[in-house]
Amino acid sequence: DQQVKQNSPSLSVQEGRISILNCDYTNSMFDYFLWYKKYPAEGPTFLISISSIKDKNEDGRFTVFLNKSAKHLSLHIVPSQPGDSAVYFCAASAGGTYKYIFGTGTRLKVLA
Amino acid sequence: NAGVTQTPKFRVLKTGQSMTLLCAQDMNHEYMYWYRQDPGMGLRLIHYSVGEGTTAKGEVPDGYNVSRLKKQNFLLGLESAAPSQTSVYFCASTLNHNEQFFGPGTRLTVL
Repeated sequence: DQQVKQNSPSLSVQEGRISILNCDYTNSMFDYFLWYKKYPAEGPTFLISISSIKDKNEDGRFTVFLNKSAKHLSLHIVPSQPGDSAVYFCAASAGGTYKYIFGTGTRLKVLA
Repeated sequence: NAGVTQTPKFRVLKTGQSMTLLCAQDMNHEYMYWYRQDPGMGLRLIHYSVGEGTTAKGEVPDGYNVSRLKKQNFLLGLESAAPSQTSVYFCASTLNHNEQFFGPGTRLTVL
């Protein structure tokens, strides 16, 4: 049972436009969500996170939105740059469990 | 400050052979994790540790064992490798309930 789902395996966006990556979850106990970026042959690197007490968190070009009622979060990248081309994973955790469940990833390609 | 390092980077095993993957972190993190990444499957948690001397099972623990004898090291063992364990293995660590720092990965092929 996939508790964290990223239903779009890939996404292509023109440079300068907005990239929107989506993530859905099923476990209502999840209270902390993270996004990671991964380049080929490297480990994932942390991008941005959000706690369930918030519905939005911004860091520069990256904004994460959380809709708890829909069990949905999204990552917005504005403006998109060619260097943003990578695989993006969302992850979720339930307080006190110390475990993180990852989605299957979305490959973003930003076209110059 | 090296962060999280993994040894080896690549390895080829024959079915039935054993090996140990080493993860080391120099950030004094309490929590350490082993994941495997397979095409279309994302990152799946194998085992994790919430402190020195403790380990716990993740989503896909079968066929693997772990040990955390020292706070900075987390070892992942395969006692009898199987082709289904061909994967890229990532180690990660974190200080608290927050972002994880990942190692560069170990690419393992079991023939």
